[in-house]
Amino acid sequence: EADIYQTPRYLVIGTGKKITLECSQTMGHDKMYWYQQDPGMELHLIHYSYGVNSTEKGDLSSESTVSRIRTEHFPLTLESARPSHTSQYLCASSDRASSGANVLTFGAGSRLTVL
Amino acid sequence: QQPVQSPQAVILREGEDAVINCSSSKALYSVHWYRQKHGEAPVFLMILLKGGEQKGHDKISASFNEKKQQSSLYLTASQLSYSGTYFCGTPYGGATNKLIFGTGTLLAVQP
Repeated sequence: EADIYQTPRYLVIGTGKKITLECSQTMGHDKMYWYQQDPGMELHLIHYSYGVNSTEKGDLSSESTVSRIRTEHFPLTLESARPSHTSQYLCASSDRASSGANVLTFGAGSRLTVL
Repeated sequence: QQPVQSPQAVILREGEDAVINCSSSKALYSVHWYRQKHGEAPVFLMILLKGGEQKGHDKISASFNEKKQQSSLYLTASQLSYSGTYFCGTPYGGATNKLIFGTGTLLAVQP
């Protein structure tokens, strides 16, 4: 079964620390995404990648950055975490289905708490 | 601008029906539906690619009205397992592959 892995699942850190949330997928998908989900439940796209060395910002502005050096790996980095960054971060990937649509497969999420 | 879903939340008894609506202020080229159970990742339910299309599996179906820029998800004879938050999603800007999700609808099915 295809999988998409996120680590860590839970992270509690102090203000000002640098953090990296890891995301890896074994499906060979070209497209990968980062969504931010607050307790109010809305899913907001913060980063998107078409493929290796291709990244774009999403519809919600974020101070985080991403990189895509390998197809299977799409890490998200916060250089200096703040309490406002406390949220759940969901990674997803997609490939074009026979219908022509991009169906997303999500990872389990990384819940970040910044004190 | 993200699609708006209604209602925001609904509580049902097992066996009751529910309708979740998804409306967009921009043209909809396709509509995805996902369900997220509490503490889990969202899971794909179905996609509607053309205006007028209707789809379904088991007792969950959906319709897509391209002219009205809206889609509806129908849950028939709901089961406890249907509980969760339902999201519609649409490609941002139509021609791109970025999926923008709606505001979400929390569905709770009680025994």
